[in-house]
Amino acid sequence: AQSVTQLDSQVPVFEEAPVELRCNYSSSVSVYLFWYVQYPNQGLQLLLKYLSGSTLVKGINGFEAEFNKSQTSFHLRKPSVHISDTAEYFCAVTMPSSGTYKYIFGTGTRLKVLA
Amino acid sequence: NAGVTQTPKFQVLKTGQSMTLQCAQDMNHNSMYWYRQDPGMGLRLIYYSASEGTTDKGEVPNGYNVSRLNKREFSLRLESAAPSQTSVYFCASSGTGDYYGYTFGSGTRLTVV
Repeated sequence: AQSVTQLDSQVPVFEEAPVELRCNYSSSVSVYLFWYVQYPNQGLQLLLKYLSGSTLVKGINGFEAEFNKSQTSFHLRKPSVHISDTAEYFCAVTMPSSGTYKYIFGTGTRLKVLA
Repeated sequence: NAGVTQTPKFQVLKTGQSMTLQCAQDMNHNSMYWYRQDPGMGLRLIYYSASEGTTDKGEVPNGYNVSRLNKREFSLRLESAAPSQTSVYFCASSGTGDYYGYTFGSGTRLTVV
C-alpha cells in the first residue's frame, strides 16, 4: 500500500532564510506527487505537482520540489521565506494506475516563519 | 467564483444527533471526496465518488454515509454523532483523468459534545 511520511511536524525558520520540508513516500508502482498549502482557517491550495518529466518542479509563491525516485522523496524548498509563508504544508501521493484519483496525504508540516 | 462550496462552516452537535454536511462544485468535475482533518493526522479520506451515481469507502468510513445527489452535489451524513467525529471536514473535487489536483472547499468545523 502507498503511504506518505512527513517527518517534521513543525519547522521554525527566520524570515529570508531558506527552508526545506521533507516528504518521503512508499509505493511499489509509479506515483504522482503533490504539495498543498493550508493557511489558517482555510482549505488546501495546490502549490505544485510532479506527474512526469523534469524532476525539478516549480510552483507558486517561489516554491519548488525535486522528485528523487531512488530515495522515494519529494522535498519542498524555498530559497528565501517570508512571514506570509507561515502555514501548514501537506505532501500527497496518488497512483495513476489505480484510476481512482484518490490521494493519500501526509500528516503535515507546520512552517513558522520568524521575524 | 468557481469552486467548491461547503455548508455549514461551523456546527456544534450533541452526542447522538444527526446532521448532513453539504458540498457543491460548479467546475463540472466528475469526482468528489470527503476528508476529515485532525491534528497530527493529516487528511484522511472518508468517502469518495468517482462519478455521478457511484460512491466508495475511503480510509475512515465508519459512522458516515454519503449521497452523490447529482454531478454537482456530494453530501456527508452523520446519523448519530459521537465525540470522536469532532473534526474539520473538507470536501474536494477533481476532473476524471485530471491530475491537476483537487479543488478544496473551505471546510466545516464540527464539534460533538
